[in-house]
Amino acid sequence: GQSLEQPSEVTAVEGAIVQINCTYQTSGFYGLSWYQQHDGGAPTFLSYNALDGLEETGRFSSFLSRSDSYGYLLLQELQMKDSASYFCAVASGGSYIPTFGRGTSLIVHP
Amino acid sequence: GAGVSQSPSNKVTEKGKDVELRCDPISGHTALYWYRQSLGQGLEFLIYFQGNSAPDKSGLPSDRFSAERTGGSVSTLTIQRTQQEDSAVYLCASSLGSGLSTDTQYFGPGTRLTVL
Repeated sequence: GQSLEQPSEVTAVEGAIVQINCTYQTSGFYGLSWYQQHDGGAPTFLSYNALDGLEETGRFSSFLSRSDSYGYLLLQELQMKDSASYFCAVASGGSYIPTFGRGTSLIVHP
Repeated sequence: GAGVSQSPSNKVTEKGKDVELRCDPISGHTALYWYRQSLGQGLEFLIYFQGNSAPDKSGLPSDRFSAERTGGSVSTLTIQRTQQEDSAVYLCASSLGSGLSTDTQYFGPGTRLTVL
């Protein structure tokens, strides 16, 4: 089967940098996605990594190491509006249904 | 263009009643997913539709749950004889439907179901 592990909660202060880790176990791995969900809102796509390395999109970056079955989401210059839940999701061969992690609640303090 | 829409946004029902939840995907998206999210939990896959193919119902938790998709567009998730454990947010997502799980999913705002 497939499984993902990510921390349940991370706290940081405004302006800081925070990293949310995700480790996974799956077969036929295609790539790792990240989604953001504010309280009461819909998950929205942030990034997708299929190859090893760092993908940067503004203040957010996502990293993947296929050999370590590990990835992370890096948020820089944290803002209060970044307080949300962040989900990693695994896409794997033969399955059109991505598997989502349980989510990490990011709390940004002033 | 318009995103994924869901209705109703909130539904309160009594135990034992049937409910219908509706999802309108993004126009042109052939893939449609239903998920369930309980308070503070991740996304639990329920059912997947792709074009005119038979749906993947492997995530439905019991035979009280069913879904259909008419004309390859609008989908309805039906829960019969609701139980209190069915209380959750039901999310619908659509994607272009390339047939790969690498498709970006676009989520609707969800329906919050409360079973009393």
